[in-house]
Amino acid sequence: EVQLVESGGGLVKPGGSLRLSCAASEFTFSTYSMNWVRQAPGKGLEWVSSVSSSSSNIYYADSVKGRFTISRDNAKNSLYLQMNSLRAEDTAVYYCARLHLFGSVPSCMDVWGQGTTVTVSS
Amino acid sequence: QSALTQPASVSGSPGQSITISCTGTSSDVGSYNLVSWYQQHPGKAPKLMIYEGIKRPSGISNRFSGSKSGNTASLTISGLQAEDEADYYCCSYAGSSTLVFGGGTKLTVL
Repeated sequence: EVQLVESGGGLVKPGGSLRLSCAASEFTFSTYSMNWVRQAPGKGLEWVSSVSSSSSNIYYADSVKGRFTISRDNAKNSLYLQMNSLRAEDTAVYYCARLHLFGSVPSCMDVWGQGTTVTVSS
Repeated sequence: QSALTQPASVSGSPGQSITISCTGTSSDVGSYNLVSWYQQHPGKAPKLMIYEGIKRPSGISNRFSGSKSGNTASLTISGLQAEDEADYYCCSYAGSSTLVFGGGTKLTVL
């Protein structure tokens, strides 16, 4: 079964850092672009960042640009999100999701992990 | 990167049809046939229901259909069933390899 499993969430103080991981299985990870999407408590979904299959193209939402870094290790079938300078408004469930492309353009997210919770609080 | 606009809630009785709208701009919904729709039950991950405006992934019931007119995309669910009660989110390509979601719509099956 195609699967994504996130880990690394937890409680962190404002200004702190956290690194999320996403382990992929049962599909050829190295051929897919990947995404992080988050959902604040009781709120809607927010696209955070995406990385192309070879890591040659990386994109961020304005809300996290300069603070978050997306990366991947195709040898380990893993996706990462390094989060620095965390703020209370970064509190959310973070999902990794496989990105389906229409040609070279992002189309939709067809496989999702179960999410990992990040809480930023003093 | 402003969120797409969805109604906060919609409701319908079993067997009826409902439509959820998703309004964007000429920079996102209006410019691309790349709207997707996701269903999310409480405490669960989102699930892809419609992609590229009108296509259904394998395994998704044909009760779910998508359409678009101008800057507004729509998701129609026909023959409402109790298990359709969930939150629904639209998402569109917004240029420069970015994506934007709608605020979500809570569907209640009466």
